[in-house]
Amino acid sequence: EVQLVESGGGLVQPGGSLRLSCAASGFTFSSYEMNWVRQAPGKGLEWVSYISSSGSTIYYADSVKGRFTISRDNAKNSLYLQMNSLRAEDTAVYYCARDPGFIAFDIWGQGTMVTVSS
Amino acid sequence: QSALTQPASVSGSPGQSITISCTGTSSDVGSYNLVSWYQQHPGKAPKLMIYEVSKRPSGVSNRFSGSKSGNTASLTISGLQAEDEADYYCCSYAGSVVFGGGTKLTVL
Repeated sequence: EVQLVESGGGLVQPGGSLRLSCAASGFTFSSYEMNWVRQAPGKGLEWVSYISSSGSTIYYADSVKGRFTISRDNAKNSLYLQMNSLRAEDTAVYYCARDPGFIAFDIWGQGTMVTVSS
Repeated sequence: QSALTQPASVSGSPGQSITISCTGTSSDVGSYNLVSWYQQHPGKAPKLMIYEVSKRPSGVSNRFSGSKSGNTASLTISGLQAEDEADYYCCSYAGSVVFGGGTKLTVL
């Protein structure tokens, strides 16, 4: 079964850090571009970051640039999001999503909740 | 990059057809045929319904169709069913990726 499973969410204080993981299974992870997309409580979807299949090309939304770092380990079939200098407005469910290459997120994880609060 | 503009809500009766619009600019929707649509039920992850403006992934009902004219993309759902009640989001390439604000579909 093709599957993405996120982990690593939780409660963190403003200014703190958190590392999210996304474990892929059921497909050739190294062949696919990957993204992180978040959704604040009661709000819409917001694209966060993109990484190419090899990891050589990376993009970020302006709202997280300089604070978040996306990475992947194709040997471990895993995607990561290192989040530093967290703010209250980063509170959201974070989803990892597979992209076959034409801005079409065809497989999504179940999401992991990140809450930034003192 | 500003979010794409969608109506906050639409509604229709079972069996009817509805259309959800997604308005962008010449820098996103108008420039690329890389528009996708997602369905999201409460508490669930989004599901891809349409990609590259009008293509349907395997397993998605042919009651769902997509189109584009100028800077506006549209999702049409024909033969509305109760299970179609959900939030719908459009998405476009724009140098980066931008989503619409979402539309809540109510099946009356």
